[in-house]
Amino acid sequence: AQSVTQPDIHITVSEGASLELRCNYSYGATPYLFWYVQSPGQGLQLLLKYFSGDTLVQGIKGFEAEFKRSQSSFNLRKPSVHWSDAAEYFCANAGGTSYGKLTFGQGTILTVHP
Amino acid sequence: DTGVSQDPRHKITKRGQNVTFRCDPISEHNRLYWYRQTLGQGPEFLTYFQNEAQLEKSRLLSDRFSAERPKGSFSTLEIQRTEQGDSAMYLCASSLVRPMNTEAFFGQGTRLTVV
Repeated sequence: AQSVTQPDIHITVSEGASLELRCNYSYGATPYLFWYVQSPGQGLQLLLKYFSGDTLVQGIKGFEAEFKRSQSSFNLRKPSVHWSDAAEYFCANAGGTSYGKLTFGQGTILTVHP
Repeated sequence: DTGVSQDPRHKITKRGQNVTFRCDPISEHNRLYWYRQTLGQGPEFLTYFQNEAQLEKSRLLSDRFSAERPKGSFSTLEIQRTEQGDSAMYLCASSLVRPMNTEAFFGQGTRLTVV
């Protein structure tokens, strides 16, 4: 069975600092990988996705992620964090061709200090 | 299109009561998914539909849970004889499959509290 691991439950950064959120996946076939963001009490908003091709993908709100097959990782990055980025971030994997049937990681809560 | 809509946003019920949630997907989307999210966890897949057909159910979906999608439009998720362990956020998502696959778009969820 596929799994997604987000090793960091909670990360705190200062506004303007760079950010990297880690995600590791396990699945035998080609993964379809996603990062979603969730604000308190809200649903999930897609930040970016990787299906194939260029391993560095750009998303919304200045986020990017890099797919590294050798490390089974899909880490999310942002060069300069804004206070409005404070939220919970989820990495997810769609193992087959249904991009909506997702296995999610536990999530990483991001706190941004002024 | 206003996206995926879920109703109600919040529901408080007494243990043993039945509850029903509704999800209206993005209109042209043919797949609809239900997820459950408990505090501090990522969403967990429950079930999904392609049009009106229910294609898969997770073993998380006990026999107290039932989902329908009549006519392939909106969907309902019913929980019978609710238990305190059913307290969670229930998320609905939709996507398009054929002629092109899209990612899942999520609603804002229904927060269920069983007292």
